[in-house]
Amino acid sequence: NAGVTQTPKFQVLKTGQSMTLQCAQDMNHNSMYWYRQDPGMGLRLIYYSASEGTTDKGEVPNGYNVSRLNKREFSLRLESAAPSQTSVYFCASSEPYQETQYFGPGTRLLVL
Amino acid sequence: QQQVKQSPQSLIVQKGGISIINCAYENTAFDYFPWYQQFPGKGPALLIAIRPDVSEKKEGRFTISFNKSAKQFSLHIMDSQPGDSATYFCAASMLVSTLTFGKGTMLLVSP
Repeated sequence: NAGVTQTPKFQVLKTGQSMTLQCAQDMNHNSMYWYRQDPGMGLRLIYYSASEGTTDKGEVPNGYNVSRLNKREFSLRLESAAPSQTSVYFCASSEPYQETQYFGPGTRLLVL
Repeated sequence: QQQVKQSPQSLIVQKGGISIINCAYENTAFDYFPWYQQFPGKGPALLIAIRPDVSEKKEGRFTISFNKSAKQFSLHIMDSQPGDSATYFCAASMLVSTLTFGKGTMLLVSP
């Protein structure tokens, strides 16, 4: 039982490059989330998927797209990376809403 | 607009002391208030949570105090230990909404 896994662990991109962050969970949760964490800014929600087949914008969705591939997997795509997207990205999963969110180990992204 | 304000940003406490982190919220519709703990290089993990029908919840050395009229809640860590050194996030949500997190408090417990 791995919980929530994220790949890659660390990535360096040049401005304008694209990449996809992968997330998978093995807890059969319906809801999945993508957050970014920046110093002094806490955890900010980028996108979430309340259930398979649905996605919704969070607080900071600009510059990102998501795909809920199936119940297990939720990917985050940066189409044209910008230095402002340098951050640590966390994926989480839970049963809907007011249940414990389980976080992955994070992806550290540096955009030069 | 920040809906959950957390203070202090950082905190240093001696081993055996009490660590206190405070949060204030604006939205009176919030009815679920969890605290998450994050160690360096790891993802956050749920520590303890409270709903507004009680004023206090205790789990071991960790206690949430909730003041509905003041729209404030706080985390108390009794007998703080060096292993408690981490970043703590408060959060809040309504029944059918996602969590809104505070900006976090870095706690250092000195030996």
